[in-house]
Amino acid sequence: KAGVTQTPRYLIKTRGQQVTLSCSPISGHRSVSWYQQTPGQGLQFLFEYFSETQRNKGNFPGRFSGRQFSNSRSEMNVSTLELGDSALYLCASSLKPGQGGGYQETQYFGPGTRLLVL
Amino acid sequence: DQQVKQNSPSLSVQEGRISILNCDYTNSMFDYFLWYKKYPAEGPTFLISISSIKDKNEDGRFTVFLNKSAKHLSLHIVPSQPGDSAVYFCAASAWNAGNMLTFGGGTRLMVKP
Repeated sequence: KAGVTQTPRYLIKTRGQQVTLSCSPISGHRSVSWYQQTPGQGLQFLFEYFSETQRNKGNFPGRFSGRQFSNSRSEMNVSTLELGDSALYLCASSLKPGQGGGYQETQYFGPGTRLLVL
Repeated sequence: DQQVKQNSPSLSVQEGRISILNCDYTNSMFDYFLWYKKYPAEGPTFLISISSIKDKNEDGRFTVFLNKSAKHLSLHIVPSQPGDSAVYFCAASAWNAGNMLTFGGGTRLMVKP
């Protein structure tokens, strides 16, 4: 079974531009989450989507947005890019959202998109 | 504030010996914990997990221990192999936060032949 795929793998943008990153989950997986990894802040949760609905959102400004399509593919968008947005953006998929109660669906990560903002 | 902490940025171990990676958390809402391994230029790979209703979970060479009263978990790798050299992340999820994972800062493990 193919893993999580993310496109593009590398991207260079300049400040003020916007960017759209794409994520295709593992076949059959309907939940997609996005994370940002930077040297200073580590891995931080951006948002989670299931059935085209955002279920959770991390502590990021409104410039960061996302969506999920009916085929479970997801995109995230960052508008008005800042230098600090340079990071590795990771997408993870799971069969369904976590239900709590001491159990969590395993999330499988893609290779990430490395964004450099100049 | 960091809710999940890995206080050792790096760890060096001889091949064949035990590697012990530690993780502390502060949020009492966390009820599920995971360890991921990450190689450069790749996404994190799931290793092993543990529910808060257990105190130990084993999978082959990997064992995770959970001490809820101390809010501490550890990953034991026995025996360590050079291929285990990677960055290891501890992550936690809360019962009411869906798939949202809170990660520690990672520990770089180097297993020397």
